[in-house]
Amino acid sequence: AQSVAQPEDQVNVAEGNPLTVKCTYSVSGNPYLFWYVQYPNRGLQFLLKYITGDNLVKGSYGFEAEFNKSQTSFHLKKPSALVSDSALYFCAVRDTYNTDKLIFGTGTRLQVFP
Amino acid sequence: DVKVTQSSRYLVKRTGEKVFLECVQDMDHENMFWYRQDPGLGLRLIYFSYDVKMKEKGDIPEGYSVSREKKERFSLILESASTNQTSMYLCASGRQAEAFFGQGTRLTVV
Repeated sequence: AQSVAQPEDQVNVAEGNPLTVKCTYSVSGNPYLFWYVQYPNRGLQFLLKYITGDNLVKGSYGFEAEFNKSQTSFHLKKPSALVSDSALYFCAVRDTYNTDKLIFGTGTRLQVFP
Repeated sequence: DVKVTQSSRYLVKRTGEKVFLECVQDMDHENMFWYRQDPGLGLRLIYFSYDVKMKEKGDIPEGYSVSREKKERFSLILESASTNQTSMYLCASGRQAEAFFGQGTRLTVV
């Protein structure tokens, strides 16, 4: 079955430190992978995507994500966290059997402390 | 800028009421989606539509229906609201899996 796993419900990091939010996936074929962010009482905003090419993808707000095919992972990273990065982050993969659909993970809450 | 607009940010409805959640997009996208978001469960797809008057069930369609009479508008209908439908509802539009979301409607059924 196709799925996305975000193993951490919450990640805590001090401002200025690097952050990583983990995501692993299970799909057949080549994955199309996405990260979205949700601020309180808001909809989801697109951060970045991987379709093909360079394994390191750069996105909005200084975020980047690394695609690792052998580990079936797509971890979100940022070199220096900001308090304003505190939000809920969702990883998603395109459904192989219906390519117009996304399969979402359960989300990871990032808390950045001053 | 892509805009997906949901008609209400907050709604409180009574058990048994018929509830309409409206969503409008301005990017001429073929695909539109309704999700519900619950803590610990992430986003679950209720219904989606890939064209006018076309609809497909998602993962949790029970208790819901949808309407897409025009390309830009996708409505979610709760035929008889129940307390277990209290949730955040998110509408999205897009093509080829790249989705753009509305602000969400937080529905409380009392």
